Amino acid sequence: DTGVSQDPRHKITKRGQNVTFRCDPISEHNRLYWYRQTLGQGPEFLTYFQNEAQLEKSRLLSDRFSAERPKGSFSTLEIQRTEQGDSAMYLCASSRGQGEKLFFGSGTQLSVL
Amino acid sequence: KNEVEQSPQNLTAQEGEFITINCSYSVGISALHWLQQHPGGGIVSLFMLSSGKKKHGRLIATINIQEKHSSLHITASHPRDSAVYICAVEPLNNNDMRFGAGTRLTVKP
Repeated sequence: DTGVSQDPRHKITKRGQNVTFRCDPISEHNRLYWYRQTLGQGPEFLTYFQNEAQLEKSRLLSDRFSAERPKGSFSTLEIQRTEQGDSAMYLCASSRGQGEKLFFGSGTQLSVL
Repeated sequence: KNEVEQSPQNLTAQEGEFITINCSYSVGISALHWLQQHPGGGIVSLFMLSSGKKKHGRLIATINIQEKHSSLHITASHPRDSAVYICAVEPLNNNDMRFGAGTRLTVKP
């Protein structure tokens, strides 16, 4: 399968714990995006990378959120000191560049108890 | 007011009907995407448009840049078309894609 893969598919954690998600984009794609989606809503942009550089970060992303793409391939999204409001589906997508078709992963469903 | 508005929010149709979903946006854009999301979360990109019209099978997408409006049409709808359809725009000089809330389509046999 050469699509975008995300791991884990589901994560249940207790409030205050740290969690890390991983996204493996399509190999030749330069751009990698992270989005968050809550039930009944469209996705919200969190951040994106052009190769290894994090070029934009949403105001939604508090200091508890950090994302990396160290070698311009896979990316990680870490949430520190999770809160119940962090419960959502975290989606990763990749593309060849701006204005190019997006390819989405299946998402990581986070539940903070 | 959301920068990307979709209508209707929910749509129920009988198999075979012609379906139209609308998207209006308020920012200048470089591209507009139509996405399909099935239960369970998977999102598939249907179209990426910057002008005119695109067709793929029974799906047609149009965009009017001057009016800041796009439509997604489904001809001869089928129950397997049941999904949430999401409009998303790439603002000019900006890379934080803006999404509509989605249109939930149910096609009954």
